[in-house]
Amino acid sequence: LAKTTQPISMDSYEGQEVNITCSHNNIATNDYITWYQQFPSQGPRFIIQGYKTKVTNEVASLFIPADRKSSTLSLPRVSLSDTAVYYCLVAWGGGYNKLIFGAGTRLAVHP
Amino acid sequence: DARVTQTPRDKVTEMGQEVTMRCQPILGHNTVFWYRQTMMQGLELLAYFRNRAPLDDSGMPKDRFSAEMPDATLATLKIQPSEPRDSAVYFCASGLLAGGSYNEQFFGPGTRLTVL
Repeated sequence: LAKTTQPISMDSYEGQEVNITCSHNNIATNDYITWYQQFPSQGPRFIIQGYKTKVTNEVASLFIPADRKSSTLSLPRVSLSDTAVYYCLVAWGGGYNKLIFGAGTRLAVHP
Repeated sequence: DARVTQTPRDKVTEMGQEVTMRCQPILGHNTVFWYRQTMMQGLELLAYFRNRAPLDDSGMPKDRFSAEMPDATLATLKIQPSEPRDSAVYFCASGLLAGGSYNEQFFGPGTRLTVL
């Protein structure tokens, strides 16, 4: 059962790049790595998902090394509106019974 | 703009009362999840359905919680009897699992439950 470990909190300033790393040492062969963002009083929102190497979309990049024991979410040029909790999780590609959200990283972006 | 809807948004009840939370998944999604979020435990998966069939409810206290999908447009989570420790935000999410690949989940706004 894959578990994730990520920093509890991070601080940044507007315009900076933020990298949040997640450890998942016992990730399984079929596991995908997914990141969600959650604002207060809202449900989590999907950001990005990957299996290996690098994935990029319009809001973030996800870097996954060859051993897949960690992954890094990269948010380019953050703004105040990126202040949120970010969750890393791993999930089996064939189902959801091993889907467990980690504790999350609380990102605070300052002016 | 397709969204998951949940009702009620807030619920305050007394210990021992029955609580029913409802969720309307996004049309066409074949997988529905129920989560509970608290400060202490974070996000916990309670149960999930695929094509309306319950696949895993190992996260639920079986003696008081029950989850059903009467039809493809409605999922319910019931607590009977409710206890103060059930106070939490309950999220419903839906997704489309196709071809064995994992796809994103779309979360509803949640039901904030307070049991006095």
